[in-house]
Amino acid sequence: DAGITQSPRHKVTETGTPVTLRCHQTENHRYMYWYRQDPGHGLRLIHYSYGVKDTDKGEVSDGYSVSRSKTEDFLLTLESATSSQTSVYFCAITILAGAGEQFFGPGTRLTVL
Amino acid sequence: AQSVTQLGSHVSVSEGALVLLRCNYSSSVPPYLFWYVQYPNQGLQLLLKYTTGATLVKGINGFEAEFKKSETSFHLTKPSAHMSDAAEYFCAVSNILTGGGNKLTFGTGTQLKVEL
Repeated sequence: DAGITQSPRHKVTETGTPVTLRCHQTENHRYMYWYRQDPGHGLRLIHYSYGVKDTDKGEVSDGYSVSRSKTEDFLLTLESATSSQTSVYFCAITILAGAGEQFFGPGTRLTVL
Repeated sequence: AQSVTQLGSHVSVSEGALVLLRCNYSSSVPPYLFWYVQYPNQGLQLLLKYTTGATLVKGINGFEAEFKKSETSFHLTKPSAHMSDAAEYFCAVSNILTGGGNKLTFGTGTQLKVEL
């Protein structure tokens, strides 16, 4: 257990509504990640962070923004949600002393109607 | 960038039978490889990892994987399937990020079904 929580765990929203998902970790890990999981695609990286206020884009970043004002929190924002953003979102951290393996939160299931 | 391919989106085995889930990687450098398991409505859990050294890697729940450079493979096996092994399994490879750290590139997953 890497001490990662995600909130909310489930959310239903409407197209065009802004949505913010929160990832919280308790062990001061430097690197944090947001992935989305879709059938037939596995997990794909949206954004990642390598420190407070240091973030960068992943492979599917369009329509998403992130912020990290504290080490423990990494926020993912959908500025104007679309139905194509219906997905399960996972936050992860990496422990660099290892091989770069990542540890995942429990996920947030987001439905955009 | 390094990538992985999982062959077979669905695999079905009988309880007590051998489990074999296939993963091939594409990498120009020695890769770090991982297998994760995802039970329904849960996050991903690390099963095992390969970094360097011994090519046969043992993980949790009786699973193991063998790194074969000549075949660019990292297949996951378990000698005897149990009903509790029913889950989705993901192979992943580590890629270095420009900002430091790494990202994981995942395969598309294999759903394992275990039948009585």
